[in-house]
Amino acid sequence: DAGVTQSPTHLIKTRGQHVTLRCSPISGHKSVSWYQQVLGQGPQFIFQYYEKEERGRGNFPDRFSARQFPNYSSELNVNALLLGDSALYLCASSLGERQPQHFGDGTRLSIL
Amino acid sequence: AQKITQTQPGMFVQEKEAVTLDCTYDTSDPSYGLFWYKQPSSGEMIFLIYQGSYDQQNATEGRYSLNFQKARKSANLVISASQLGDSAMYFCAMSRFNQGGKLIFGQGTELSVKP
Repeated sequence: DAGVTQSPTHLIKTRGQHVTLRCSPISGHKSVSWYQQVLGQGPQFIFQYYEKEERGRGNFPDRFSARQFPNYSSELNVNALLLGDSALYLCASSLGERQPQHFGDGTRLSIL
Repeated sequence: AQKITQTQPGMFVQEKEAVTLDCTYDTSDPSYGLFWYKQPSSGEMIFLIYQGSYDQQNATEGRYSLNFQKARKSANLVISASQLGDSAMYFCAMSRFNQGGKLIFGQGTELSVKP
């Protein structure tokens, strides 16, 4: 069975640009979460969606937004990119809130 | 506020020996889950083991076991018979079930297995 897939794997942008990251959950998983991991730290929670509704939002500015589609795939959008947005962005899916989250390989975003 | 603390930034262990990675947590909620993840240098986050706050027995998954001491709020990961492939970052994480299951991660422990 396919795991969580994320695209693209790497991305280079400049300050002020916009980026869209994509995630396809494991088949049957209805919950998708996004995390940001900067170098040397643990992942930080950004968003969680369940059945296409936002269930949680971390302490990130409004430049960050996300949505979940009817097929449970998800997009993370970041506007007006800053140098500090350079990080590994991880997507995770799970069967439900009490089930383990399974992560994709991440998207490495570099801002120049 | 909930918090995960991993006090060991780096650990070394000899191949085939057992190693314990420490994790303490802070929450006032009675219902929560504790997770351990492994992150190799390639970056993917691999789920290892889960312990629910109401589980009576310590969780085990192959060579991994979780030493859950609820009164001390600790959830240490024990890896038995270490292998070279176990060298990686290890993260402890907690989920409060009344908050939809979002994960709060610790800072991680970098484990190096020596041949």
